[in-house]
Amino acid sequence: AQSVTQLDSQVPVFEEAPVELRCNYSSSVSVYLFWYVQYPNQGLQLLLKYLSGSTLVKGINGFEAEFNKSQTSFHLRKPSVHISDTAEYFCAVTSLAGGTSYGKLTFGQGTILTVHP
Amino acid sequence: DADVTQTPRNRITKTGKRIMLECSQTKGHDRMYWYRQDPGLGLRLIYYSFDVKDINKGEISDGYSVSRQAQAKFSLSLESAIPNQTALYFCATSDPAGTSFHNEQFFGPGTRLTVL
Repeated sequence: AQSVTQLDSQVPVFEEAPVELRCNYSSSVSVYLFWYVQYPNQGLQLLLKYLSGSTLVKGINGFEAEFNKSQTSFHLRKPSVHISDTAEYFCAVTSLAGGTSYGKLTFGQGTILTVHP
Repeated sequence: DADVTQTPRNRITKTGKRIMLECSQTKGHDRMYWYRQDPGLGLRLIYYSFDVKDINKGEISDGYSVSRQAQAKFSLSLESAIPNQTALYFCATSDPAGTSFHNEQFFGPGTRLTVL
């Protein structure tokens, strides 16, 4: 079985400040990891993904995330946020092996990022 | 045009009514999923289908049923709606044989359902 924990339900920041949204996962097998973003009144869109290779992954809109296997984390960062980054962010995991998690994404609880002027 | 569409986008209904939410996709993906989103709980999987003949329950399937009418269409039904089914519902697709072999999923815009 796999699980995802997003450590902060809400993160308020000021415009142009850096931000980190934290995600920890649990899985007994190797995984792929994703961050999705949901803007108000919209569906989810992929922000970035870790499949293999370099542990630092760059995504859209200046976001990046670092995969840390030893700490089972995949934290999302942005050095300088804009008002338009206000949204809910979801971390998700899928396993590379079979079993009950095959072909499915498991999502975290979501983190609401609010950027203040 | 959007690749994954959901109808209706908003629906208000009463307890006990039968409701159908529809999802259509033009991505040509075999796999389709239904999720519900509740504040603080993230997205939880209701049902999923790996092809037209394959339907599987997710973690919260009680009170729901689905129909995969074609590769492009996957409908979610609430046979007798209850207030705690008030939520935002998302349909998603993926294609393990293509670029989303790692199970990247593509989401529709969502249906906001309110059960009074």
